[in-house]
Amino acid sequence: ETGVTQTPRHLVMGMTNKKSLKCEQHLGHNAMYWYKQSAKKPLELMFVYNFKEQTENNSVPSRFSPECPNSSHLFLHLHTLQPEDSALYLCASSQAHQQGKAFFGQGTRLTVV
Amino acid sequence: KNQVEQSPQSLIILEGKNCTLQCNYTVSPFSNLRWYKQDTGRGPVSLTIMTFSENTKSNGRYTATLDADTKQSSLHITASQLSDSASYICVVRDPNSGYSTLTFGKGTMLLVSP
Repeated sequence: ETGVTQTPRHLVMGMTNKKSLKCEQHLGHNAMYWYKQSAKKPLELMFVYNFKEQTENNSVPSRFSPECPNSSHLFLHLHTLQPEDSALYLCASSQAHQQGKAFFGQGTRLTVV
Repeated sequence: KNQVEQSPQSLIILEGKNCTLQCNYTVSPFSNLRWYKQDTGRGPVSLTIMTFSENTKSNGRYTATLDADTKQSSLHITASQLSDSASYICVVRDPNSGYSTLTFGKGTMLLVSP
C-alpha cells in the first residue's frame, strides 16, 4: 500500500447519475492530484490542489467537480458523464509542488453506461 | 511539445528471461526521469528515479539507465518473474512547464509467461 486510499475501487453509473470518488492520504502530504487514465493513452492530469487550494484546472469539463476539504482528503464529484469518460481515475499526493515525487492510489475503475 | 515515447508497446517473455524496455523523450529542460510499474487495475508504483546527472539506478532486479545526451532511458528486468507482468511507464519531469511538470509515456505492457 502506498498510503493513498481511493474508494470505491469500481463504479458503474448511468449518464444521468451523480456520484463521487473519494481519496484519502495518510502521508502528511499537502498536495493532491486527480489523474485520468484511458486505455492506451498516457495519464492525464486533471486537477491539482496545493494546501487545499486548486492551482489550476487542466481544461477539464465541468461535469467533473473536485473538492478538497483538507490536505488529507480529495473528492471528485461526477454528474451527467458521457461513455467516453469511462477510465481509471487515479488520485495521487505529494509535498507541495513536488508532483514528480507523488504517490498514487489504487484508482477507481469508472464505467459510464 | 514535450513527448515521451516508449517501445515496444507490448512484450511477451518467458519466465526467467531478461528484457529491456525503452523510453525516448524530447522534454527539455529535464530534471528527472522516473519508471513506474502499474499492475492491471491498480495505481502506478515508483521503481526508480534518476536526475540528469545519473547514468544508472537499480532496484532489485530492475535497472534503469539514462543517457541525457541522446534523451534515452531503458529499464532492464533481470530473471523475470510472473509478478513482473504489468505496464511500465516512463515519466519525465520538466520543472519549467508550468501547470503540469510531468510528461507520461503510454507505457509498455509486459507479460511474463510460465
